[in-house]
Amino acid sequence: AAGVIQSPRHLIKEKRETATLKCYPIPRHDTVYWYQQGPGQDPQFLISFYEKMQSDKGSIPDRFSAQQFSDYHSELNMSSLELGDSALYFCASSRGLGQEKLFFGSGTQLSVL
Amino acid sequence: GQQVMQIPQYQHVQEGEDFTTYCNSSTTLSNIQWYKQRPGGHPVFLIQLVKSGEVKKQKRLTFQFGEAKKNSSLHITATQTTDVGTYFCAGKGEKLTFGTGTRLTIIP
Repeated sequence: AAGVIQSPRHLIKEKRETATLKCYPIPRHDTVYWYQQGPGQDPQFLISFYEKMQSDKGSIPDRFSAQQFSDYHSELNMSSLELGDSALYFCASSRGLGQEKLFFGSGTQLSVL
Repeated sequence: GQQVMQIPQYQHVQEGEDFTTYCNSSTTLSNIQWYKQRPGGHPVFLIQLVKSGEVKKQKRLTFQFGEAKKNSSLHITATQTTDVGTYFCAGKGEKLTFGTGTRLTIIP
């Protein structure tokens, strides 16, 4: 069965650089969520989209932005990267908004040097 | 805002012993979900509980949702090495909030 695809798997950036993370949800899933997980931490909700519109916003820094495109894939754009942005970034998708279970991708490991 | 806490943070058990993690929300939940994250992996959905007092079982795993819909527990009977990982609850209030997780390690 198709799963949530994230790219790249690993990304190394310098401070103040920009990064773009991509997420391709499971087919027919219309909702995408972005989470940030630091080492030994629980996933922290950043932002979500339903039917290409932002549906909820969590602890996403102003330096980050995201969008969901017409094919339902989503991109997380990160600018002016800081050392503290180093983390595992998960994308998850679901069908419908609200009560649905989340299917997570394998994540993008971002290292900011 | 909504907070979801889990205890314990870490649990080390001998293989074959039982394990329980508890999840407590600061607000009443419409549902609670449980996820398992293996070391180096991503969270994988285990189950969703919706009704007050609901109990669900999956083989050696028993999930319970409290009567007040503010707490939940996951109990594993006779742990095996394959149970290693971090167990997260995720409570659905205004938004889906992940708990702090319980990291389970098994001593063979």
